[in-house]
Amino acid sequence: KQEVTQIPAALSVPEGENLVLNCSFTDSAIYNLQWFRQDPGKGLTSLLLIQSSQREQTSGRLNASLDKSSGRSTLYIAASQPGDSATYLCAVPGGGNKLTFGTGTQLKVEL
Amino acid sequence: DGGITQSPKYLFRKEGQNVTLSCEQNLNHDAMYWYRQDPGQGLRLIYYSQIVNDFQKGDIAEGYSVSREKKESFPLTVTSAQKNPTAFYLCASSLPDLNYGYTFGSGTRLTVV
Repeated sequence: KQEVTQIPAALSVPEGENLVLNCSFTDSAIYNLQWFRQDPGKGLTSLLLIQSSQREQTSGRLNASLDKSSGRSTLYIAASQPGDSATYLCAVPGGGNKLTFGTGTQLKVEL
Repeated sequence: DGGITQSPKYLFRKEGQNVTLSCEQNLNHDAMYWYRQDPGQGLRLIYYSQIVNDFQKGDIAEGYSVSREKKESFPLTVTSAQKNPTAFYLCASSLPDLNYGYTFGSGTRLTVV
C-alpha cells in the first residue's frame, strides 16, 4: 500500500527566504506526482504535476523535482512571500487512479 | 471557465438526518471522487466513480452513499449511519489517464448540530 509522508509538518520562515518542502512515497512505481496548495477552509489548488518521466517542473517561483528511484519529491519556493502562507500537499495516484495524499506541510511566511 | 462546483459551502445536519452534498463539473472528466478531510489528518477517499452508472467504495465508505447518473454530477449523501460526519468534504475529478492530474472543488463544510 502506497504511503506518502511530508516533512516538516509545519514551517515558519521570514519573508524573502528560499525554502524546500519534502515529500516521500513508499512505492516508486508512480505514474506522476501532484503538488497542491490549500488555504484555510478552501479546496485544493493544483500547483505542479510531474510525470514519472520528468525530473522537474517549474511555475513562476515554484520548482518541483521528482526522484522516483529514491521515492522523493521536493517543492522549492523561491523568495517566499506572506501570500505563500498555506498548507502544501503532495499526492500520487495508486490503483484505480485514486490519489494517496501526504498530511501536508503548513507554511507560514512572516513579514 | 471549466471547473468543479460544490454546494452548499456550509451545511448543518441534525442528528438522524440524511443530507446530500452536490458536486458538478463541466470539465468533461470521466472520473469523480469524494474525499473527507479532518483536522490533522490527510484526505481520505470515501467513494469514486470512473464512469457513469458505476462507482466503488473508497477507504471510509461506511455511512455514505453516492450516485452517478450523469457524467457531470456525483452527489454524496451522508446518512444517519455515519456517526461522526462533521468534516470538510472535497470533490474532485480527473481524466481516465490522469495525464492532467486531479481538479478539486472548493469544498463543503458539514457540521452536526
